[in-house]
Amino acid sequence: NAGVTQTPKFQVLKTGQSMTLQCAQDMNHNSMYWYRQDPGMGLRLIYYSASEGTTDKGEVPNGYNVSRLNKREFSLRLESAAPSQTSVYFCASSDTGGLADNTGELFFGEGSRLTVL
Amino acid sequence: GEDVEQSLFLSVREGDSSVINCTYTDSSSTYLYWYKQEPGAGLQLLTYIFSNMDMKQDQRLTVLLNKKDKHLSLRIADTQTGDSAIYFCAESMDSSYKLIFGSGTRLLVRP
Repeated sequence: NAGVTQTPKFQVLKTGQSMTLQCAQDMNHNSMYWYRQDPGMGLRLIYYSASEGTTDKGEVPNGYNVSRLNKREFSLRLESAAPSQTSVYFCASSDTGGLADNTGELFFGEGSRLTVL
Repeated sequence: GEDVEQSLFLSVREGDSSVINCTYTDSSSTYLYWYKQEPGAGLQLLTYIFSNMDMKQDQRLTVLLNKKDKHLSLRIADTQTGDSAIYFCAESMDSSYKLIFGSGTRLLVRP
């Protein structure tokens, strides 16, 4: 099993350019998430999708859009990149099917390092 | 709003115990978690504790939960150089599965 796969792993953009970060999971999980990690600030939730067909804002959604294309895939789009969006982006998924022994563990991808000049 | 706080850095000698502390705010969290991040990698779940428990032991790891003070700690016994990583405390929001993470504690294990 590949788990959670993110592409690209590295990207450099100029201010104002757009790009999409792709994420796919092969664990049949209902929920998917996008976090950003910045030094000294931990992980902050950008957007999440509790189930296929739904998306919701997290703590820091401004400047981003998401698409839950199907159960497997959840993409993050920067329409007009800004230097403040330089960060490491992590996609994660979890099984929230309501099982009694479900701990809500998040499974993370390896991250996408984005630099906006 | 929700906030999870951790100290940023801890340095210990190999073989000593490490204790990483965390305070959280959402008393309705069902689970509290410790995640580990190794360099250049994503986070992996290390251990978790259900909110109605005070302590959980898993091999070299001991998690203590003080619900009154909203304080969570992770003790690593016989710390090894391979334990050097960033450790994140996390709580679930509003009894949902959305997690709020602390800023992470960087553990450095000196030989």
